Amino acid sequence: GENVEQHPSTLSVQEGDSAVIKCTYSDSASNYFPWYKQELGKRPQLIIDIRSNVGEKKDQRIAVTLNKTAKHFSLHITETQPEDSAVYFCAASFRDDKIIFGKGTRLHILP
Amino acid sequence: ETGVTQSPTHLIKTRGQQVTLRCSSQSGHNTVSWYQQALGQGPQFIFQYYREEENGRGNFPPRFSGLQFPNYSSELNVNALELDDSALYLCASSSAAGGSYEQYFGPGTRLTVT
Repeated sequence: GENVEQHPSTLSVQEGDSAVIKCTYSDSASNYFPWYKQELGKRPQLIIDIRSNVGEKKDQRIAVTLNKTAKHFSLHITETQPEDSAVYFCAASFRDDKIIFGKGTRLHILP
Repeated sequence: ETGVTQSPTHLIKTRGQQVTLRCSSQSGHNTVSWYQQALGQGPQFIFQYYREEENGRGNFPPRFSGLQFPNYSSELNVNALELDDSALYLCASSSAAGGSYEQYFGPGTRLTVT
């Protein structure tokens, strides 16, 4: 069935270190993969996205990589800062016009 | 912040009642999607509206229904409320139909069913 798996569910990294969150998806036809950041009590905010014709995309300290063969994509945050603490969601589009979200990763940046 | 707005912010209803939630899309966007986000979970796709018609639906029963108006705003209606319907309801607008376009979320409506 249609599914997006996200790992880990919780991640703690030292300020300044890198954080990596991984997702897998079930439908080989999926072609759009956004990442959202949600701070406590706020709406999900689109931070970066990637389409299936691209293997990697970067925006300052954030990068996303996509491996279509393995149906796997990852979010990389470098030089982490306290304001990066939040819940991060990956998502994937499916052929029936749905977008399915992962269950989220709670990222803690330790001082 | 996005230009997507939702009302009301919070709502408390009793089991068995009906509720209507509202969403105004961002300027220039013609598509609205609705999501249910339970505490500690990711948003779950309910359905999407494009050109005033439903375009794609998630695994939600028929008592979840919606409307889209000519100005692209949208409503989510839930009949016969159940305790498990308690959640944050988010709408997101995008510039085209389908799941392959950037979606921008509103602030959500927190629904509590007692």
